[in-house]
Amino acid sequence: EIVMTQSPATLSVSPGERATLSCRASQSVSSNLAWYQQKPGQAPRLLIYGASTRATGIPARFSGSGSGTEFTLTISSLQSEDFAVYYCQHYNNWPPITFGQGTRLEIK
Amino acid sequence: EVQLLESGGGLVQPGGSLRLSCAASGFTFSSYAMSWVRQAPGKGLEWVSVISGSGGSTYYADSVKGRFTVSRDNSKNTLYVQMNSLRAEDTAVYYCAKAGSVVVAALFDYWGQGILVTVSS
Repeated sequence: EIVMTQSPATLSVSPGERATLSCRASQSVSSNLAWYQQKPGQAPRLLIYGASTRATGIPARFSGSGSGTEFTLTISSLQSEDFAVYYCQHYNNWPPITFGQGTRLEIK
Repeated sequence: EVQLLESGGGLVQPGGSLRLSCAASGFTFSSYAMSWVRQAPGKGLEWVSVISGSGGSTYYADSVKGRFTVSRDNSKNTLYVQMNSLRAEDTAVYYCAKAGSVVVAALFDYWGQGILVTVSS
């Protein structure tokens, strides 16, 4: 099983600033990595797939990078609606399909 | 517009059974794999099961293997999961999720709103 580890668990950032979230895979997942955003009481929303491709309708301030075992989600200028929990998920060499434990992005 | 609507959740006793449904619309249902993903209260996301577009291939997380059965009726555009021998640790919001493409089954581009299953006596 590929274990996905996200850091930090909680990130406090001020609106307008940049946020950088990390995700590490226990073995290479190539570029088969997705990021999701989840707000309280809502279903997750796909943000990034293929490690760096934005999903339909996702603003350009969201960007993803990395390959192999190290990945980063960057939000360039935080808006109020961006404060949420973010999950990474691999889709390489499954089952099982695994998610990271999540990073909570909170307002500083 | 893609829509996924789960139903069938509720309170069930330990050892009991429940069947969830997910009604899909807005896309060619039979062309896409579908998954169930769950989230225990206050916890992260856990993949449960995936079924191919034809229904011929199914995969399960070890935590539910032998107890849950995923199926689909492509004539009704509906996904199901039959959950037997339920345990307290199965308590969660269950989401159905659509595969992101016809060739990538394990990427989820649309999710239902979720349905709560509570296993308790």
